[in-house]
Parts: sequence; C-alpha cells; structure tokens
Amino acid sequence: SYVLTQTPSVSVAPGKTARIPCGGNNIGSKSVHWYQLKTGQAPVLVIFYDSDRPAGIPERFSGSNSGNTATLTISRVEAGDEADYYCQVWDSNSDQRVFGGGTKVTVL
Amino acid sequence: QVQLVQSGAEVKKPGSSVKVSCKASGGTFGGYGITWVRQAPGQGLECMGGIIPLFGTTNYAQKFQDRMTITADESTSVVYMELTSLRYEDTALYYCARVGTGGGTDAFDIWGQGTVVTVSS
Repeated sequence: SYVLTQTPSVSVAPGKTARIPCGGNNIGSKSVHWYQLKTGQAPVLVIFYDSDRPAGIPERFSGSNSGNTATLTISRVEAGDEADYYCQVWDSNSDQRVFGGGTKVTVL
Repeated sequence: QVQLVQSGAEVKKPGSSVKVSCKASGGTFGGYGITWVRQAPGQGLECMGGIIPLFGTTNYAQKFQDRMTITADESTSVVYMELTSLRYEDTALYYCARVGTGGGTDAFDIWGQGTVVTVSS
C-alpha cells in the first residue's frame, strides 16, 4: 500500500516558520490533506487539497505539493500551534485513505 | 454547523465486542460519508472503514474486514462501529470523521471527540 513518510518532530521558535514535510512516491499527483491533533481535542482539518484552507484556519497555515514531497508551512508560529500534524492522501490502488506517521511540532 | 458526538469510554475484555456510536448533532449526515479512524497509544492515525449512511454502503480496510461492522440509522443520524474478537492491541482512541463522497480524494472535514476503548483482562 501507499506509504507516507513524515519527520517525527520539528522544533521552532515563536514567530518563526515551521515546515513539515510529507514524503510519498509521486505524491504531487495526489491530493494531500493536513490535520492538527491536540491532546484531548478533536482533530482539525487545517489544509485540504494540497493548499486550501478551511474557514476559520489562519492564513499562517499554508500547503504545497510537488514531486515526492508535500509540505505544510506554519508562518509566525505561536504557542497554540504546538500539536501533532498528519498528512493524508487517498491511495487509488487500494481504495483506502492513508495517513503519514505524524510530526510533533514543538514551540520552543 | 454539524458536530459529531461519540459515545463514552469503554473497557472490554479480550475476545469480547465493543460498539461505538457517532451522532450528527445540529444536522444530519446528508450525503456525506462517515469513516472510523483509530489511534493506538503512541501511534499514528489508522483508517478502519466507513459508511455512506444515505445508501448504507460500506468500505472496510482489509485488516479489519473480518472483525468490523459499520451501520447507520438515518432516522436518528447515528452511525455505529462494532469491533469483535477484541485484542489488547485494539486499545486505542477511536474517532469518527465526516468525509465527502465526491471521490476518495475528499478530506475529513469534521471529527468526533473520540472514544477511548481499553481492552483489559
């Protein structure tokens, strides 16, 4: 089945930019979605279809997807952005939705 | 705005079954699908399977196909997920999530709050 690879952790200082990669074979040909998970809260969709933002998600969150890597970018990072972030695609071969292993973002 | 409200935590013995519910509060499922996703302790997210309540059509990940049943009651806007022959490794946080039915590429736009299932003797 299709495999998505994420860096386990990313640390970033407040006000700086966090870039969270999600690797997959020719992932640029797929639609990538990103979710934010905080302990004790329901997961939140932060980016869909590579780079679209749902209503209510700050413009600081953006996404890109090309080649073998999709990237979630968080600009002007705030303490409240500390969370686990997961990328997700649909694998047409298995007709299953697949998640990456998740990246823990720590705000220093 | 529709919210997904899940049933409470469960503690089950190995070999038994668990049934978790997911209710659409403030609306209905409409033409959307509901997928179950779980997260074992210290692990990532894993899609288990889903249903389109309007049609009752289901889709299961191969790993769960023999032990999982998803049903829907459109009249009460509730989806149920039953997992049988529970094992210790089924201990996890189980989420329901809403997804569009325009094709597999749709995102999970609304999630339930999660239900902890603990398998313990």
